[in-house]
Amino acid sequence: GEDVEQSLFLSVREGDSSVINCTYTDSSSTYLYWYKQEPGAGLQLLTYIFSNMDMKQDQRLTVLLNKKDKHLSLRIADTQTGDSAIYFCAEKYQAGTALIFGKGTTLSVSS
Amino acid sequence: DAGVTQSPTHLIKTRGQQVTLRCSPKSGHDTVSWYQQALGQGPQFIFQYYEEEERQRGNFPDRFSGHQFPNYSSELNVNALLLGDSALYLCASSSRQGAWGETQYFGPGTRLLVL
Repeated sequence: GEDVEQSLFLSVREGDSSVINCTYTDSSSTYLYWYKQEPGAGLQLLTYIFSNMDMKQDQRLTVLLNKKDKHLSLRIADTQTGDSAIYFCAEKYQAGTALIFGKGTTLSVSS
Repeated sequence: DAGVTQSPTHLIKTRGQQVTLRCSPKSGHDTVSWYQQALGQGPQFIFQYYEEEERQRGNFPDRFSGHQFPNYSSELNVNALLLGDSALYLCASSSRQGAWGETQYFGPGTRLLVL
């Protein structure tokens, strides 16, 4: 079955880069997503990547996809205290079906 | 442009009771999905509604049911509440079912506490 794994915690200093990693198991996954959740809030879509791409960049965010190893990463450049949140990796392996989420990575940014 | 809205924001019920949660999708969206997020976990898919029908269901018992209205808004009903149903319930909307790359936009959630 499908499964998404993430490391649980990451702590960085303000101004550094953050790299959040994710592995997925379903080789037929087509779209992979990154969502951000702040305390007590819903999920905010950050970015997504199609499985035939290796990289996608959007302002401070860079997504890297290694399809061979089923590994996805999210790099946040110049991390700010406002980036402190839980980051979820999610996969969608068929059109119109559910998103499968990891347990989330808590990013803590210290000044 | 209003995003996804959910009501109520918080709810407290006792075991055995029934609850109804509501969701209005983002303008232009016609598909609604419901997720349950237990504390410290990622969201888990409950079901998805499109054209007023349940199109896909996750691994949840029949106590969880739903409905979609002609205006695309949706309700989630949970009967015979258990303590383990305490969670954040998230609604997500998208513009059509079956489209590749269709992104789901989430509402703020309803936090349900079962005592």
